[in-house]
Amino acid sequence: LAKTTQPISMDSYEGQEVNITCSHNNIATNDYITWYQQFPSQGPRFIIQGYKTKVTNEVASLFIPADRKSSTLSLPRVSLSDTAVYYCLVGDTGGNEKLTFGTGTRLTIIP
Amino acid sequence: EAQVTQNPRYLITVTGKKLTVTCSQNMNHEYMSWYRQDPGLGLRQIYYSMNVEVTDKGDVPEGYKVSRKEKRNFPLILESPSPNQTSLYFCASSLYAGQHHEQFFGPGTRLTVL
Repeated sequence: LAKTTQPISMDSYEGQEVNITCSHNNIATNDYITWYQQFPSQGPRFIIQGYKTKVTNEVASLFIPADRKSSTLSLPRVSLSDTAVYYCLVGDTGGNEKLTFGTGTRLTIIP
Repeated sequence: EAQVTQNPRYLITVTGKKLTVTCSQNMNHEYMSWYRQDPGLGLRQIYYSMNVEVTDKGDVPEGYKVSRKEKRNFPLILESPSPNQTSLYFCASSLYAGQHHEQFFGPGTRLTVL
């Protein structure tokens, strides 16, 4: 499994765009990059997934450079409700039955 | 509604008293797993199951047992709970194994072992 590195915590003001970067230097050819969001006392929930370039959905965008050794989760115009822990996972479609979430990035939105 | 349910949501027990936390999913998912979450340690996988009657250890299996007799259910069993098993537990399921497949998590069970 590719190891990921994220900042432990980040703060941002309401209305700003927030970018959380994840480093995954040993990502494999078949690996996808997936981000989850976890609110306090709730289970994580899927936000977005990508393989290369840019992926966008109604919640976030995911930017993946050509070398795929890092990825950036972008949250547009954050609000207080975006305060959560964000996890970056790297893995493929099968064979890696174990899942490793790590400690994630604790994002705090300031009014 | 597609969901993963866990029971109980909260449990306080004493050392050595066997307990079971139930987990059920209604999405016909093949892959199910259990995690524990402790402050500063993130989510750690306890056990996982690829399908009925197929289970395997995650990263922190000591002190836990699981079974997968039916596709929808994946109970977590603590035969002799100890205080170091005080934690927040999550059950999750996905269509198949692999990080490519979206994991659906239950609401969590907060366990306190005195």
